Amino acid sequence: DSGVTQTPKHLITATGQRVTLRCSPRSGDLSVYWYQQSLDQGLQFLIQYYNGEERAKGNILERFSAQQFPDLHSELNLSSLELGDSALYFCASSVDIAGGREAFFGQGTRLTVV
Amino acid sequence: TQLLEQSPQFLSIQEGENLTVYCNSSSVFSSLQWYRQEPGEGPVLLVTVVTGGEVKKLKRLTFQFGDARKDSSLHITAAQPGDTGLYLCAGVNAGGTSYGKLTFGQGTILTVHP
Repeated sequence: DSGVTQTPKHLITATGQRVTLRCSPRSGDLSVYWYQQSLDQGLQFLIQYYNGEERAKGNILERFSAQQFPDLHSELNLSSLELGDSALYFCASSVDIAGGREAFFGQGTRLTVV
Repeated sequence: TQLLEQSPQFLSIQEGENLTVYCNSSSVFSSLQWYRQEPGEGPVLLVTVVTGGEVKKLKRLTFQFGDARKDSSLHITAAQPGDTGLYLCAGVNAGGTSYGKLTFGQGTILTVHP
């Protein structure tokens, strides 16, 4: 158990819909990262938050947005869903990844868009 | 855009054989991490290498960071079926607008047959 909790574990939804994925980081970790993992693209960095502020942005689509709340949990919102958005979405948390500290990953949310 | 190229993509070997996985980039990273991911789980950190030329050993696994901090290798001696999994290298940024970002390679799927 990494200490990072992601909900839901599985999500099946239709094209055009909107979903929210939730992540609770490990106690004490200020950084939260979101990643998308698909068979053809591997693990793609989407966005990072540090103590409530956006820190770094990757290949995140405009249809996707995220935020980190005062209690440090984070949500990833995916809207106008397309079939190609089907993937595993991982959240990770860290004390200080830039200092070489470990990023702890949750078990992921498997999103299927039909 | 920083890219990490990992090779080979697939590796299928017999128990007892040795193997090496490579991770190459044209970019310099402040540190490099190796993760292992099993089906249905998030990646789990194996090691972090920070200094150019650094070598770290974890039982039968040997990790090396290139002198220029652009490449790394993972060598497994006498592979066991329990080593089967997806191995991922990830470069860590410690500066600029990408501070704290983890860039992953595409991964190497290792299968060790008894």
